[in-house]
Amino acid sequence: KAGVTQTPRYLIKTRGQQVTLSCSPISGHRSVSWYQQTPGQGLQFLFEYFSETQRNKGNFPGRFSGRQFSNSRSEMNVSTLELGDSALYLCASNRDRDSNQPQHFGDGTRLSIL
Amino acid sequence: SQQGEEDPQALSIQEGENATMNCSYKTSINNLQWYRQNSGRGLVHLILIRSNEREKHSGRLRVTLDTSKKSSSLLITASRAADTASYFCATDRVGGANSKLTFGKGITLSVRP
Repeated sequence: KAGVTQTPRYLIKTRGQQVTLSCSPISGHRSVSWYQQTPGQGLQFLFEYFSETQRNKGNFPGRFSGRQFSNSRSEMNVSTLELGDSALYLCASNRDRDSNQPQHFGDGTRLSIL
Repeated sequence: SQQGEEDPQALSIQEGENATMNCSYKTSINNLQWYRQNSGRGLVHLILIRSNEREKHSGRLRVTLDTSKKSSSLLITASRAADTASYFCATDRVGGANSKLTFGKGITLSVRP
């Protein structure tokens, strides 16, 4: 069974640009969550999608958005990129929203802003 | 905001020794999870302990949970060089969602061959 796949693995952008990151969850998983990881702030929750609907949102500005497709694949978009958006963006999937189940993470997209 | 705080921040031990890592949290939880992250990679789930459990084992891993003290510990026995990684505790808060885990800042474990 394939794991969570994130593309691309690395991305370099400049300030003011926008970027779209992609996440394919494990087959059969319908919940997809996104996290931002930086050395200063650690791992922070961005948002969660389930059945094509955003179910939870973290404390990030509106420049960060996402969506989920009918096949459960998810994308996140960051507009008007800032230097502080440089981070490892991690996607995690789960079969459903039931508690007491572990999250399955991809290897992330390393985004660097010049 | 960080819910969990791990202690120590960094740990260096010799291969074969045991490694103990601690995590404290602030609010009531449904469960607490430990993850490992190798450099440049994603997080790998190690073990999940529910709020009504006190101890759990998985191979060389032993996790304890003390909800009265809001703390947990992860013990890795007979460590190996391959255990070198960052370790994170994450909490699923009561009233939150399992998909919205709150992570600590992590512990860097170095196992010297």
